[in-house]
Amino acid sequence: LAKTTQPISMDSYEGQEVNITCSHNNIATNDYITWYQQFPSQGPRFIIQGYKTKVTNEVASLFIPADRKSSTLSLPRVSLSDTAVYYCLVGGRNAGNMLTFGGGTRLMVKP
Amino acid sequence: DSGVTQTPKHLITATGQRVTLRCSPRSGDLSVYWYQQSLDQGLQFLIQYYNGEERAKGNILERFSAQQFPDLHSELNLSSLELGDSALYFCASSVGGSHPYGTDTQYFGPGTRLTVL
Repeated sequence: LAKTTQPISMDSYEGQEVNITCSHNNIATNDYITWYQQFPSQGPRFIIQGYKTKVTNEVASLFIPADRKSSTLSLPRVSLSDTAVYYCLVGGRNAGNMLTFGGGTRLMVKP
Repeated sequence: DSGVTQTPKHLITATGQRVTLRCSPRSGDLSVYWYQQSLDQGLQFLIQYYNGEERAKGNILERFSAQQFPDLHSELNLSSLELGDSALYFCASSVGGSHPYGTDTQYFGPGTRLTVL
């Protein structure tokens, strides 16, 4: 399974755009990149998933360069309620779905 | 609300005891996953079931066991409990199987907080 590396923590201010980058150098051809958000004492929540280029939904965008060795989760105009841990996961549809959660990035949004 | 339910919400017990955590997946989901999250730690994958059969095993201790029943609910049994077993235990469910595009999105329940005294 591909190993992921992401910053341990990040600080931002309300209204700013936040970009969290995850590196996954040994990503396999069949692997997809998925991001989850977790608030304290709650289960992780699916945010976005992509394979290549750019994916956008109502809460975030995911940018994946052509070599797919990294990905960037972009949160537009964050608010205090976006303070959470963000996990980047890499896995394939035939990998038994045994996604491995790394340490995640602890995002703190300040007023 | 993810549609995944877990009971009980909180559980306090003593060392050496045995407890059972219960999970009901989202309607239509065939896969169930169990994770352990200790204080300020990441999520550790324990085990996965698909349609009643064990599909994948992670860092699950021999003192722990799980099963998925015909109605697709799952139970995680923790025995000979130790202080270090105190943690949040999450269940997640997904549709299961292979997908032509993307991976199988997991939907997490609210968790069971286990405290071993």
